[in-house]
Amino acid sequence: DAGITQSPRHKVTETGTPVTLRCHQTENHRYMYWYRQDPGHGLRLIHYSYGVKDTDKGEVSDGYSVSRSKTEDFLLTLESATSSQTSVYFCAISAGQGSVQPQHFGDGTRLSIL
Amino acid sequence: QQQVKQSPQSLIVQKGGISIINCAYENTAFDYFPWYQQFPGKGPALLIAIRPDVSEKKEGRFTISFNKSAKQFSLHIMDSQPGDSATYFCAASPADRGSTLGRLYFGRGTQLTVWP
Repeated sequence: DAGITQSPRHKVTETGTPVTLRCHQTENHRYMYWYRQDPGHGLRLIHYSYGVKDTDKGEVSDGYSVSRSKTEDFLLTLESATSSQTSVYFCAISAGQGSVQPQHFGDGTRLSIL
Repeated sequence: QQQVKQSPQSLIVQKGGISIINCAYENTAFDYFPWYQQFPGKGPALLIAIRPDVSEKKEGRFTISFNKSAKQFSLHIMDSQPGDSATYFCAASPADRGSTLGRLYFGRGTQLTVWP
């Protein structure tokens, strides 16, 4: 299994509170991604990073920010959580060298916002 | 607008049967087409992938068929087993070699149930 650790694995919080999810990798891969998974929508890209301090928006980035200060860590922040952000969040990593490299996923963080 | 359309949403197959999941895309810039398998409580795991320079790729009981002119690709699971019961996602990635390298667009998933 790819060395990807997501924390926390489960979190319940209240609307309006800030939330930070962490993705930690031990593979030294350049590319890291945050997705959310919702029933009937599959996996949707929130933000991704193609290097330290290099990030870009995905298709559902509103309400989310990210930071990557080290190769191994990619943080996803919900500045002021809303109930619509209740979801399962997955981090993925990819070597991204030369031709397209496969993405490998962590086991997710289940986030409930009440 | 959804970049990759997947069907069916759910599929029930008897043990030993063939499971077929279909995907279609519009963006001709896509050049990498992986399939992911996901079990409850786990992240998606890469199952098999294909590039458009071949029409078929087989790995064990899993086969991808690719039709470039129709912009369609499908996953066939031969001799389906109860252990194959999972959610399957198709995806596509563009050929852009810039910062979007490796960005995946996913279908909405197919929940496969294989009855013993």
